Amino acid sequence: QVQLQESGPGLVKPLQTLSLTCSVSGGSISSTDYYWSWIRQHPGKGLEWIGYIYYNGITYQDPSLRSRATISQDTSKNEIYLRLSSVTVADTAVYFCARDRQLGDAFGIWGPGTMVTVSS
Amino acid sequence: DIQMTQSPSTLSASVGDRVTITCRASQSIDYWLAWYQQKPGKAPKLLIYKSTSLESGVPSRFSGSRSGTEFTLTIGSLQPDDFATYYCQQYHIYRTFGQGTKVEIK
Repeated sequence: QVQLQESGPGLVKPLQTLSLTCSVSGGSISSTDYYWSWIRQHPGKGLEWIGYIYYNGITYQDPSLRSRATISQDTSKNEIYLRLSSVTVADTAVYFCARDRQLGDAFGIWGPGTMVTVSS
Repeated sequence: DIQMTQSPSTLSASVGDRVTITCRASQSIDYWLAWYQQKPGKAPKLLIYKSTSLESGVPSRFSGSRSGTEFTLTIGSLQPDDFATYYCQQYHIYRTFGQGTKVEIK
């Protein structure tokens, strides 16, 4: 059974770069069958899709974050990464990684999420 | 960008009630719509995909329907475990979520 687990620093200072890892177990991120996405949720608010990566490294980021967000992968470690530059308090959120239930379909598998607070 | 307008934002209901949540897309998304349930402190859980298909393991009291660009999630008979927040999400062009509907105890 595929499981996703996000990890990160918990606390980041304003204007620094946030770096998060999504560790995948029970399946390979090299599969051609799925996109792997990052999604965030501000405290008490709704869900915001950040972007996804495909097995071949092709990525798409939502325009609202495209200039600051970078999604990458390490197939040897079976990990997906999110880097968000020049963070502000508005980037304080729970960050989730998720996988399509099949390519281009709904998010069938989610990680539990990791809370990131931006504060000096 | 495709916008998803979900209503109501909050819904008060009792156990046994039939509950309906609506989501409208700003343009055609065909049937590429999903519904998720989220409980506090947890990741969302997929309920419905492709507008009407029930995800494996999800109780049959949950159902989805579509009429053009308007989509509906129905809970046939609300159970205590169903008090949660529900989100719609389009995946016709990239991904967009609705604002969410909190189903609370009346």
